[in-house]
Amino acid sequence: EVQLVEIGGGLIQPGGSLRLSCAASGFSFSSQYLSWVRQAPGKGLEWVSVIYKVGTTHYVDSVKGRFTISRDNSKNILYLQMNSLRVEDTAMYYCAKEGDYLGPGPFGFWGQGTLVTVSS
Amino acid sequence: DNQMTQSPSSLSASVGDRVTITCRASQGVRNDLDWFQQKPGKAPKRLIYAVSNLQSGVPSRFSGSGSGTEFTLTITDLQPDDFATYYCLQHNGYPWTFGQGTKVEIK
Repeated sequence: EVQLVEIGGGLIQPGGSLRLSCAASGFSFSSQYLSWVRQAPGKGLEWVSVIYKVGTTHYVDSVKGRFTISRDNSKNILYLQMNSLRVEDTAMYYCAKEGDYLGPGPFGFWGQGTLVTVSS
Repeated sequence: DNQMTQSPSSLSASVGDRVTITCRASQGVRNDLDWFQQKPGKAPKRLIYAVSNLQSGVPSRFSGSGSGTEFTLTITDLQPDDFATYYCLQHNGYPWTFGQGTKVEIK
C-alpha cells in the first residue's frame, strides 16, 4: 500500500527555518518524482516544488532561493528545507508523488499534510 | 506563468443533477491537464489525468474533455459524496498551476 506521511510542521516565527519530511513506502521511491504542494488556510492549492529521480528540481518563484527540496533514496524520505519563512508561507504542506500505475501526471497520490504556521 | 481560470467559483446543485466545471488556460497545455476533488480537512484526490482519463477507482459519472486551452469536468447524476471543491491543474510548463477551485454545494 502506498503511503506518504508528512512530518515537521509547526509554529515558527517570521525569518525562521523549518524542515519538512515526507516518509514514503509501498512503491519504488528512487524511481519516481515527488512534489510539495501547499494550501493556505481557506485558499486554493499551490504547487511549490518538484524533484525528479535524477535530482533535477523546480520551484515556484515565491519560494526560490528560500526553499530547497531534496530526497534521500536510501531512507525513502522527501524533504523540504524552508528558510527565511514569511507569514504568507503559512499553509498545509502536502507531499505528492507521480501517478505511476495510477496514470501519468505529478499528483497521483497525496499524503495527509503537515501544517506550517508562520507567526510572531 | 500559465494562468488557469476556473468557472464558476461555486455552484449549488441537487442530487441527480449534471454539473459542468470549466477551466481555461492562458496558454496551451496539450494533454497535461488533470482534475482533483478535495473535501474539507482532507488531502486532494486526483479524479482525471491527461484531460479525459479516469483514475482507477473513480466513479464513471466523472468525465473530462477539452483541448488546447479549454477543458471541462462533468459530473453526471450528482451524488451526496460529490459535494466538494474541484481544481484543475496544468503541468505542461513550470510553474505548474492550479485553477482557483470550484465549490459544489447542495441546493
